[in-house]
Order: sequence, then C-alpha cells, then structure tokens
Amino acid sequence: AQTVTQSQPEMSVQEAETVTLSCTYDTSESDYYLFWYKQPPSRQMILVIRQEAYKQQNATENRFSVNFQKAAKSFSLKISDSQLGDAAMYFCAYRSWSGGGADGLTFGKGTHLIIQP
Amino acid sequence: DSGVTQTPKHLITATGQRVTLRCSPRSGDLSVYWYQQSLDQGLQFLIQYYNGEERAKGNILERFSAQQFPDLHSELNLSSLELGDSALYFCASSASESTEQYFGPGTRLTVT
Repeated sequence: AQTVTQSQPEMSVQEAETVTLSCTYDTSESDYYLFWYKQPPSRQMILVIRQEAYKQQNATENRFSVNFQKAAKSFSLKISDSQLGDAAMYFCAYRSWSGGGADGLTFGKGTHLIIQP
Repeated sequence: DSGVTQTPKHLITATGQRVTLRCSPRSGDLSVYWYQQSLDQGLQFLIQYYNGEERAKGNILERFSAQQFPDLHSELNLSSLELGDSALYFCASSASESTEQYFGPGTRLTVT
C-alpha cells in the first residue's frame, strides 16, 4: 500500500515571502499522480496543483509550483509571494494509475500553514 | 464552488442509528468518491463508483455502504452508528478515472 508523509505539522511564513511544504511518498508503482489540496477554515477541499509521474517537468499554477523528484519519491510545494488567503491546511495526496484501474486518493496528515502579516 | 453538492451540511444523530448522506457530482462527471475526515484517522478514501458501478474500495467499514444511481448521484449509508463515526464526510467527483477529483463541501456527522 502507498503511504504519504508530510513531516511538517505546521509552518509559518511572513506575508509576501516564499515557503516550501514537504511531502514524501512510498510506492512500488511507476505510474501515478500526485496532488496538493488546500483546506481553509471553511473545510472545503480545494485542488491546488497536480503532477503526473511520467512528466519530468514540474507543474506550475501561478504562485504555486512543485519540485517533483521521482527517484527520491519527493513532491514539495512552493508558494511564492505568500498571501493571507493562503493560510490553510495543505494536504499532499497520491493516486495510483494501474492499467485503466481506479483508486481513491491517499492523503498525508497535512501541514498547517500560517501566514504572518 | 466546485460544482459538487452534498446534503445535508450537518447531521446529528444517536448511537445505533442509520443515516444517509447524499452527493450530486459535477455535471458530466461519471466518477464519485467518498472520503472520511476525522481527527484520529485523517482523510481516508472509502469507496468509488463509476457510472453506477463500484470501482474501488478503501477503508470502508462493513456497516457502511454506498450506491450510485442512474442519474449519477450517490448516497452513502452509515448504519449502527458509533461515537467514532463522527467525522466530516466528503464526496468528490471526476470526469473520468484519470482526471482530478473535485470535492463537495462535506457533511458534518455528529454521533451522540
């Protein structure tokens, strides 16, 4: 079974600065997807960014980018120019893709991101 | 707004009771997923349906069951409820099994 580990329970950053959230995962599969989801105090789960394992290029969405290191099984999220609205729990998630099969997401325990004004 | 709707928003019930949670996926999405978020277990995948058929099972208890109807809405049935079943239950949907999942606002279940 796959596991996802987020080793930082809480991170704090000054507004406008850059912060990196760490995520590692364990899998024996070669094809899979990785995601970062954001959960603000409203509890809504919001997709931030997605990465396909077969793509070498790191995904980017505006101020959000990832550093995907497949050999190291590492998938970190970088948030540039942090804004107060970025304050939330951030969850790293893994999803396998095995020959047309299907599966749910496996989540890490989350990192609570605090933005200091 | 993700386009996924869930009802009810909040549910309070007693131990031993049975409840049904409802989910309507985004328009055109064929896949529906159910997740449980609790303080003890974190976010856990329960079950997935694709176009009416069960496709994958996660850590779903035998007391829990789900189904997806011809109009693609889904229901999660929780029976013989225990205090430990208190959690936030999310439904998510995706267009296909290879695309990203979009989450509904969740149903907060409190078992007293």
